[in-house]
Amino acid sequence: GAGVSQTPSNKVTEKGKYVELRCDPISGHTALYWYRQSLGQGPEFLIYFQGTGAADDSGLPNDRFFAVRPEGSVSTLKIQRTERGDSAVYLCASSLGVNTEAFFGQGTRLTVV
Amino acid sequence: AQSVAQPEDQVNVAEGNPLTVKCTYSVSGNPYLFWYVQYPNRGLQFLLKYITGDNLVKGSYGFEAEFNKSQTSFHLKKPSALVSDSALYFCAVRGVESGGFKTIFGAGTRLFVKA
Repeated sequence: GAGVSQTPSNKVTEKGKYVELRCDPISGHTALYWYRQSLGQGPEFLIYFQGTGAADDSGLPNDRFFAVRPEGSVSTLKIQRTERGDSAVYLCASSLGVNTEAFFGQGTRLTVV
Repeated sequence: AQSVAQPEDQVNVAEGNPLTVKCTYSVSGNPYLFWYVQYPNRGLQFLLKYITGDNLVKGSYGFEAEFNKSQTSFHLKKPSALVSDSALYFCAVRGVESGGFKTIFGAGTRLFVKA
């Protein structure tokens, strides 16, 4: 596709439920990033992939959060036992190389009620 | 560890006046530096980047930024502000940790341009 695509655009879930957020990066981009952004705040780094492997997952807040990128393209961010504090916009981005900018998707707004 | 500081939560400037949005960083090795802009209910848009070479880099919409290694700064500038420049601006740094792709963002600076 022409840009980074994230689905769904909005997700409302009940506390304690499991959710999956999908990211389809720009074709050919080897690096893929997940960020979380709360209202009026900067994007908070969660994890990034280089190809299929998670090169750095130091930003994942706890073991309820997990992300995969099995074929080096589409990635899924998985959140177990959601809590109200998980409510935020989850952003995905991809980049071609280490010296190129990252392109962001429109984000998935997650609301845990 | 990498970090980015944007010391001003908000910057106010009159239309037609020059603007500066400040950014300082901390990173191991040579930094890759970026500025992004976010309009209400829109995604993050890339403005400009510094990778190597000339310390003054030019980007989209008339914005430029100056890399200063000794002060570890990368301030965003524009000679003449427009009302339409009002938005949230984020500075980001990418360092050599974790293979060189990890990119950390600052907390953001809200720019208000008054007509």
